Amino acid sequence: DAGVIQSPRHEVTEMGQEVTLRCKPISGHNSLFWYRQTMMRGLELLIYFNNNVPIDDSGMPEDRFSAKMPNASFSTLKIQPSEPRDSAVYFCASSRSTRLDEQYFGPGTRLTVT
Amino acid sequence: GNSVTQMEGPVTLSEEAFLTINCTYTATGYPSLFWYVQYPGEGLQLLLKATKADDKGSNKGFEATYRKETTSFHLEKGSVQVSDSAVYFCALSAPYAGGTSYGKLTFGQGTILTVHP
Repeated sequence: DAGVIQSPRHEVTEMGQEVTLRCKPISGHNSLFWYRQTMMRGLELLIYFNNNVPIDDSGMPEDRFSAKMPNASFSTLKIQPSEPRDSAVYFCASSRSTRLDEQYFGPGTRLTVT
Repeated sequence: GNSVTQMEGPVTLSEEAFLTINCTYTATGYPSLFWYVQYPGEGLQLLLKATKADDKGSNKGFEATYRKETTSFHLEKGSVQVSDSAVYFCALSAPYAGGTSYGKLTFGQGTILTVHP
């Protein structure tokens, strides 16, 4: 079975540019999570969706960040405009609603903003 | 609020050595406890879990016991291999109490393990 799929795997962009990260959750999983990992702050939950609806976005750092889940098989995390401090690895994870804490992580997108 | 504290790394061991990575937590109620592992260049994978006091989670030779009296969930393995080199994360999940907190994982800062031949 395919796991969580993220694209791109690596993204290098200049400050001020828009960045869009993509995620395809595991089929049958109806909860989706976006995390950010940095050396300084560790692993942070940004937002999570249940049945395509955002449930908790309290971890989204600021208005430059937005996330959507238009259907059960696709989600995006957008940063506009990007800043160097956004450089991090962004992970998407999915789970079943009945097992929210057993999350399956994608390989991550390494974002570098210069 | 909930929090997880792991022993600071990095931890460097020789193959076949005994491994312990300490993890303590602070939470209200009875959380579920987890160990996740992150291999180089990959996302996190669930390694083992325990959902109530005195439960022992185990997988791939790793074990951890949920100790409510000491609020701990230490990870152990009797004989590590080079392939165990990875970053290990302890995490907790709050029990269901309504609202939006259910299912949210709180992670420790991670412990880097390097095993040499």
